[in-house]
Amino acid sequence: NAGVTQTPKFQVLKTGQSMTLQCAQDMNHEYMSWYRQDPGMGLRLIHYSVGAGITDQGEVPNGYNVSRSTTEDFPLRLLSAAPSQTSVYFCASSYSSHGSYEQYFGPGTRLTVT
Amino acid sequence: SQQGEEDPQALSIQEGENATMNCSYKTSINNLQWYRQNSGRGLVHLILIRSNEREKHSGRLRVTLDTSKKSSSLLITASRAADTASYFCATDADDYKLSFGAGTTVTVRA
Repeated sequence: NAGVTQTPKFQVLKTGQSMTLQCAQDMNHEYMSWYRQDPGMGLRLIHYSVGAGITDQGEVPNGYNVSRSTTEDFPLRLLSAAPSQTSVYFCASSYSSHGSYEQYFGPGTRLTVT
Repeated sequence: SQQGEEDPQALSIQEGENATMNCSYKTSINNLQWYRQNSGRGLVHLILIRSNEREKHSGRLRVTLDTSKKSSSLLITASRAADTASYFCATDADDYKLSFGAGTTVTVRA
């Protein structure tokens, strides 16, 4: 199993550009999430999905869109990049096991917006 | 908002020593999890403790949970250079959605 994969690893955008961060998992997990990690702040939840066709907002959703057309893929779209979106982005997947949700993380995408 | 808060922010120990870090949280939880993050990598799940458990072991890791004080601790015994990483606690007060703390950075000196 490849686990959770993310592309690209690094990206530099200019303010106002749009792009899509890709995330895929091959573990048939129901749940998928996007987080951003900023220095000294831990991870903050952007959007999440509890199954194909179902998405919801997390703690910091503004400026981002998601969709989940298949179980495997959960892309994150930046609509109009801003310097405040400079961060490291992690995708994670999980399944429910007796009411607990251990998360499997991808390697991250380091995004810089100039 | 972040539910969990780790203490200390940073910890430096000699190889072979034990490392202890704490996590405090604000609201009732179902489970509490600990994750490790090596520099430049994604997080890796270490251990999960349920709200009705008080202590759990996994290899050199020992986790305690005190729901009355809303706190947890992670102990790494006989530390190794490979334990150098950041450690995060995560709580699931709201079902699937995890809330992470800012982490404790552990440096193990040879």
